[in-house]
This record gives sequence, structure tokens and C-alpha cells, in this order.
Amino acid sequence: GQQLNQSPQSMFIQEGEDVSMNCTSSSIFNTWLWYKQDPGEGPVLLIALYKAGELTSNGRLTAQFGITRKDSFLNISASIPSDVGIYFCAGPTGTASKLTFGTGTRLQVTL
Amino acid sequence: GAVVSQHPSWVICKSGTSVKIECRSLDFQATTMFWYRQFPKQSLMLMATSNEGSKATYEQGVEKDKFLINHASLTLSTLTVTSAHPEDSSFYICSARRFSNQPQHFGDGTRLSIL
Repeated sequence: GQQLNQSPQSMFIQEGEDVSMNCTSSSIFNTWLWYKQDPGEGPVLLIALYKAGELTSNGRLTAQFGITRKDSFLNISASIPSDVGIYFCAGPTGTASKLTFGTGTRLQVTL
Repeated sequence: GAVVSQHPSWVICKSGTSVKIECRSLDFQATTMFWYRQFPKQSLMLMATSNEGSKATYEQGVEKDKFLINHASLTLSTLTVTSAHPEDSSFYICSARRFSNQPQHFGDGTRLSIL
């Protein structure tokens, strides 16, 4: 099946720093979704991308849909402690638009 | 908007017990609901897709007789883990979607611990 690989696997950064993470696929996606999961909770949708090359922002978060349709990037500017969590990319596949989730990037922010 | 409620949030029970988890879309009608399982430090893995009024579609390797799914209304889906064993201990998360071209919204998950 399709796999979504995220890098880095984990990050330890200081408050105020910018963060970049990416998601790559072995096949093409027509939609890219970025979710954040806090400990013990379900994922929350951050940004949805629907067009190759699209750049979309949500507050301090910016995500881009790669031109090749096989990758996507998420940037967080001026990180704060509440940014801590696991960030997942996801893409719908098949006729039922089932979601395939990436391997996740775990973000830790130190004061 | 787009709130999904999952209940219970935490279950601890003895091996052999059957456990039912509910997933409700509170402010919209969900034509499709999904059930995921997440083991510690791993990603979400889709178990099954559930459409209102029809049988669920299970992913490869997921036993349909073990994980019973009922989607009797547009706002409620249930997952029953039958005769649960310690290896079934995991974090189970549901999601709901109004239409196929709209994102899924997730519940807060149910942590299942089988002793």
C-alpha cells in the first residue's frame, strides 16, 4: 500500500525557533492534510491542501503542496510550548477517500 | 462546528470481556465514519470504513468478527471489541465525515487496556 514518510521523526527545539518538517510519498496524492495530535487525544486538522504548488497558512503554520504531488511541507514559525505534539500528514486514497497517515513528527519545545 | 464525541475515553477490563465504544457526530450528519487503532509511538492505522445503513468495510488483516462495527444512524457508529485480550490494548480513534470531498473530523479516542 501507499506509505507516507515524515521527517524528521522527532525534533527538540527552543521556544521562538522556526520548525520545518516534510512528508513524502511513493505515489501521487491529490490532497494533502496536516493534523496535530496532542497526547491522549485525537488528531486535529491544521491545514488542508488541494492543489499542486498551493501554499496555505493558518496563523503561524504554513504548508505547501509539492509540485510533484508526492510531497508536502509544514512550517511553524516562532514556536511556543503549546506547539508540542505529534504532527501527521495524511492523504486520501481510493474511492472511499480513506486516509493514509504519515509516520509522524514528534515536536518538543523547550523554554 | 464539526464536533465528534467518543465514549468512553478510557476502559480497563478483564481478558475475555467485550467492550463497546461509541462515536457520535454532534453537529453534523456523517455519511461515513472511520475507525482507527494507534499503538504507542506509532501512527494511526485504519481498521474499517463504515457507511450509514450498510456493512462496514474492513482493512486487510482486521478481523471483522473480532471488531464489530454498527453504523445505525447518521450520527452514531459503534465499535465492539469482542472477547478482548491483552494484545487488543490500544488507543482506538473514530472519525466522521459529512461528504467524501470533506475532511474527516476525529474524536478524542478511547484508550483500551485489557488485563
